[in-house]
Order: sequence, then structure tokens, then C-alpha cells
Amino acid sequence: KQEVTQIPAALSVPEGENLVLNCSFTDSAIYNLQWFRQDPGKGLTSLLLIQSSQREQTSGRLNASLDKSSGRSTLYIAASQPGDSATYLCAAGNYGQNFVFGPGTRLSVLP
Amino acid sequence: DAMVIQNPRYQVTQFGKPVTLSCSQTLNHNVMYWYQQKSSQAPKLLFHYYDKDFNNEADTPDNFQSRRPNTSFCFLDIRSPGLGDAAMYLCATSTSWSGASFQETQYFGPGTRLLVL
Repeated sequence: KQEVTQIPAALSVPEGENLVLNCSFTDSAIYNLQWFRQDPGKGLTSLLLIQSSQREQTSGRLNASLDKSSGRSTLYIAASQPGDSATYLCAAGNYGQNFVFGPGTRLSVLP
Repeated sequence: DAMVIQNPRYQVTQFGKPVTLSCSQTLNHNVMYWYQQKSSQAPKLLFHYYDKDFNNEADTPDNFQSRRPNTSFCFLDIRSPGLGDAAMYLCATSTSWSGASFQETQYFGPGTRLLVL
């Protein structure tokens, strides 16, 4: 059964820093992996979806990478801004299964 | 804009009093999901519909039921809410996924926060 973990649980950085969020999964036979953003008290917004055949995906200041063999994905945020403050969740997709979500990393970017 | 809508955004109910949460979508997606999310935890899938086919997760309590009268609407019924059912309830949709292949992007609504007194 797929299990997804995210470390750290919370992260606080000053504005302008580049940062990396980590996601680990136990079953490397994933088809895709998705990163979401969740603002307090709100639903999830999809940021990036990486297919298993891809190594990375980029959208603006965000770059997500996938290493299936090591069971890891990272979300890189360049030049962080206070508006980036939110919880970031990753979700792993395996054949015939619903996405399995991690608990998220709560990011605070301080002005 | 095409979207997933959830009503109400906040719901207060009394212990044991039935409550219904609603979700509607304009994306015309085949699949609709209900998740329960407690503070600082991952969303937990309760069930999903592929068209009218209902798929219940094995560990979803019988206290939770769902209805999907048409493509656009899906309801979550909690028959006898307990204090432990206080949570954020998230509705999501996706394009065709029969459970026999790989799932693509899910689109989430804003959620309904349920408080049980």
C-alpha cells in the first residue's frame, strides 16, 4: 500500500529565499505525482503534475522533480514571496488507485 | 469559469443531527470524490463516483453516505454526526477514471468546514 510522507511538517523562511520541499513515497511504481497548494480553510489547487516518464516540470517560479528509483519528489520554489505562504501537499498516483496524499508542509514566508 | 462549488462553506450541526453537504461542478467530469480532512492531516478519501457507479473506501464508516443524482451534483450525508466528524470536507472531480488505469489531475472545491456541537 502506497504511503506518502512530507518533511518538514513546517518551514519558515525570509522573503527572497529559494527553498525545497520534500515528498517521499514507498511504492516506486507510480504513474504520476502531483503537487497541490492549500490556503488556510480552503480547497486544494493543483500546481504541477509529473508523469512517471518525466524527470521534472516547471511553472513560473516552481519546479518539481521526480526520482522514482529513490521514491522522492521535490518542489523547488525560487525567490519566495509572502504570497507563497500556504500548505503544500504532494500526492502519488499508482495504477488502479486513487491518489495517496501526504500530510503537507506548512510554509511561511516572512516579509 | 468552469469550477467545483461546495455549499455551504461552513456548517454547524448538533451531535447526532443528520447533515447534508453539497457539491456541484461545471466541468462535466465523470468522476466525483469526497474527502475528509482534519487539521494538519492529509485528505482522506471517503468514496467516489465514476458516473453513477459508487465506490466506497473500505474504512469509510457507515455513518457516511453519498448520492449523485446527475453528473453535476453530488451530496455527502452524515446520518448521525459525532464530535470526531468535525473536519473539512472536500469535493473533487476528475476526468474519466474507472479504477482500472491511471488517474489524472483532480480539481477541488473550496471545502465545507463542519462543526459538531
